[in-house]
Amino acid sequence: GDSVTQMEGPVTLSEEAFLTINCTYTATGYPSLFWYVQYPGEGLQLLLKATKADDKGSNKGFEATYRKETTSFHLEKGSVQVSDSAVYFCALSFTSGNTPLVFGKGTRLSVIA
Amino acid sequence: EAGVAQSPRYKIIEKRQSVAFWCNPISGHATLYWYQQILGQGPKLLIQFQNNGVVDDSQLPKDRFSAERLKGVDSTLKIQPAKLEDSAVYLCASSTSGQGIRKTQYFGPGTRLLVL
Repeated sequence: GDSVTQMEGPVTLSEEAFLTINCTYTATGYPSLFWYVQYPGEGLQLLLKATKADDKGSNKGFEATYRKETTSFHLEKGSVQVSDSAVYFCALSFTSGNTPLVFGKGTRLSVIA
Repeated sequence: EAGVAQSPRYKIIEKRQSVAFWCNPISGHATLYWYQQILGQGPKLLIQFQNNGVVDDSQLPKDRFSAERLKGVDSTLKIQPAKLEDSAVYLCASSTSGQGIRKTQYFGPGTRLLVL
């Protein structure tokens, strides 16, 4: 079945460091890919998305590029802030139909000043 | 625009008791999802509704879990009787029923359940 694999955390970085969280997927067909973020005590929020190969999603300084050849959607940010501390989830779904999201296990990021 | 509302936010019960969660989706969203998020894992789908009909309940433990969406708006998820392993955050999400990127799912804050 369809699945998403994320790098395990926790990840601890100093403020202004470069962030990469790896995400790879297994799916039949060509899914849409998402990154969701869960801040402490809050619900899941959509961070960015990409719907086809080579698309780049971006938001709040975060970026991820849909790589079909490597079935990957790695999340990057050039300079993290303390406020970026959260749990990040990579997910896929098939938006051509009414399908639910399939999530990875999540990666906890802690940014220290 | 109001987001997805859920209640209660927290619930503590003893095993074998029953519990119910409520979700009010974003106005106009025809599709509603219930996910279970166990600590340290990503959310997993329990059930999906399109209006008031069930689209997918293949991963719902039907011997103890039930859900309904009367009138195609609000939804309730019930567990009876609860087991220790049901301790989790229960997330409700909604989306439009259109094609493509309009189908982004929006999540509520979740209900954190602890079964003792």
